[in-house]
Amino acid sequence: DAKTTQPPSMDCAEGRAANLPCNHSTISGNEYVYWYRQIHSQGPQYIIHGLKNNETNEMASLIITEDRKSSTLILPHATLRDTAVYYCIVRALNAGGTSYGKLTFGQGTILTVHP
Amino acid sequence: DAGVTQSPTHLIKTRGQQVTLRCSPKSGHDTVSWYQQALGQGPQFIFQYYEEEERQRGNFPDRFSGHQFPNYSSELNVNALLLGDSALYLCASRDTGADYGYTFGSGTRLTVV
Repeated sequence: DAKTTQPPSMDCAEGRAANLPCNHSTISGNEYVYWYRQIHSQGPQYIIHGLKNNETNEMASLIITEDRKSSTLILPHATLRDTAVYYCIVRALNAGGTSYGKLTFGQGTILTVHP
Repeated sequence: DAGVTQSPTHLIKTRGQQVTLRCSPKSGHDTVSWYQQALGQGPQFIFQYYEEEERQRGNFPDRFSGHQFPNYSSELNVNALLLGDSALYLCASRDTGADYGYTFGSGTRLTVV
């Protein structure tokens, strides 16, 4: 799986958008970008994933650059409960379109949302 | 709908002992993975089970072993515990045929003294 690079920490004011960047310059054509977050004392929580098109769900939006070498996770209206470590992970799906295998976590970005 | 359930939540063991951690996957999920998370670090992949077989393994010694049962639940066993095995052990499950992410449990905090 391709390696990712994230800033170690970021701050955001409550109610504002939080934009978390991730570099994955060695990503392969069949590798997806996944985002997870881990709130203190809990297991990681799946947020969103994408291949090359921008994606949006009830939690966040994922913007992937055209060359796919970087992406940004956007939390549109951050709340105090969004304070967590955010992990960007790239991994491939198998030939059948299903997914198995390990997730390779880096250090992630510690996002702190301030009142 | 219950998510991933892990037991126990906390455990204290003595160096050299053996430990068994348990995981019940989310309903409908058939694949279970185990991760070790040291303090201040990201989770590290230990192994993954599907159809009661170990399908993939991370860089962990043979002291770490596992099992998956017909009901998809799983156990992680660690023999000859070392102080360095102290960590949060996370279980994650997913439906192999579905296109979404893993669901993680809250983990078992293992302390080796």
